[in-house]
Amino acid sequence: AQSVTQPDIHITVSEGASLELRCNYSYGATPYLFWYVQSPGQGLQLLLKYFSGDTLVQGIKGFEAEFKRSQSSFNLRKPSVHWSDAAEYFCAVGVRTSYGKLTFGQGTILTVHP
Amino acid sequence: EPEVTQTPSHQVTQMGQEVILRCVPISNHLYFYWYRQILGQKVEFLVSFYNNEISEKSEIFDDQFSVERPDGSNFTLKIRSTKLEDSAMYFCASSTDRGAYEQYFGPGTRLTVT
Repeated sequence: AQSVTQPDIHITVSEGASLELRCNYSYGATPYLFWYVQSPGQGLQLLLKYFSGDTLVQGIKGFEAEFKRSQSSFNLRKPSVHWSDAAEYFCAVGVRTSYGKLTFGQGTILTVHP
Repeated sequence: EPEVTQTPSHQVTQMGQEVILRCVPISNHLYFYWYRQILGQKVEFLVSFYNNEISEKSEIFDDQFSVERPDGSNFTLKIRSTKLEDSAMYFCASSTDRGAYEQYFGPGTRLTVT
């Protein structure tokens, strides 16, 4: 069965600093990979996804993620963080043969200092 | 922009009572999902639903749970006899295609079982 690990439970950065959130997955083949963001009181919003092709994917709000097969990783990056990026971020994996089930990581809470 | 809505936002119930959580998926979506997140834990898949049938369900989704699309707009999750451990945030999601896996999530219903 697939699994997802987000090693960092809580990350604090200063506004304007760069950001990298880590995600490692376990699955025998190439999965579908996703990053979602959740602000307080809101649902999960899709930031970006990887299905195939170019391993560097661009998402909304200036985020990007890179799929590295050799490391089973899909890290999320942003060159300059804004205070409004403070939220919880979830990495998720989907299996091509299933009926849409997503397996989520534990989540990383991002705090942004002014 | 179309969005998934869920009602109520917070439901408090006593152990042993039945609850129905309601969701209105995005109107042209065909695949529907329920996930839950117990406080401090990962978001977990419960069930996927397509063409008025369950497509896939997790081990969590036992006989106490059922889903239904009673009309052309609503998608419900029923818990027949709630337990304390059912206390969680329940998220509904929908997508146009299971292959695309681009799931759009609602804001969630917080269920508290006392």
